[in-house]
Amino acid sequence: DAGVTQSPTHLIKTRGQQVTLRCSPKSGHDTVSWYQQALGQGPQFIFQYYEEEERQRGNFPDRFSGHQFPNYSSELNVNALWLGDSALYLCASSPYRDRVTDTQYFGPGTRLTVL
Amino acid sequence: AQSVSQHNHHVILSEAASLELGCNYSYGGTVNLFWYVQYPGQHLQLLLKYFSGDPLVKGIKGFEAEFIKSKFSFNLRKPSVQWSDTAEYFCAVNRYSGGYQKVTFGTGTKLQVIP
Repeated sequence: DAGVTQSPTHLIKTRGQQVTLRCSPKSGHDTVSWYQQALGQGPQFIFQYYEEEERQRGNFPDRFSGHQFPNYSSELNVNALWLGDSALYLCASSPYRDRVTDTQYFGPGTRLTVL
Repeated sequence: AQSVSQHNHHVILSEAASLELGCNYSYGGTVNLFWYVQYPGQHLQLLLKYFSGDPLVKGIKGFEAEFIKSKFSFNLRKPSVQWSDTAEYFCAVNRYSGGYQKVTFGTGTKLQVIP
């Protein structure tokens, strides 16, 4: 049983560009959350998707957007990249039915470097 | 806004020493509490979680944590650490809004265990 997978592993972009990161949830999971982990910091919640809709959002600007597909996989898009967006982007999945006693399973992350 | 504080940023212990990592949160409502661990080069993994019942929670690898509601604390403990416990530890708080999760992580504590 594959866990949460993310692609690509590493990415280098320049300021002003746009980036798309991808996530496939653990089998049986229908809820996907995205986090940004800057160097030396804990993960910060970006947003959560369930049933192809954004359900919760953290304190991130509209440059950060996402999408969830019918197969529960998800994309994170960041427009107009700036240096401060350099971070490890984590995807986590969980089953909505267990949301009260939730355990999120994390992927390995995508390391984004903005030059 | 809810916040999670981990007061120890870097802890160095010798093998067999006892460990206690502090975690305090600021949200007054019903929360679920978690400790995650990130071993070098690996994904974030769940160590233990609390959502109701016995405030003393036991997790994997001999770790435990105690939820003290009056102190808004959820400290992680292990009576005797091993070199393999070297990792970064994150406390996280999950609260629900409109039926969906919002997870806040602390900034993490790096634990270094010296053989």
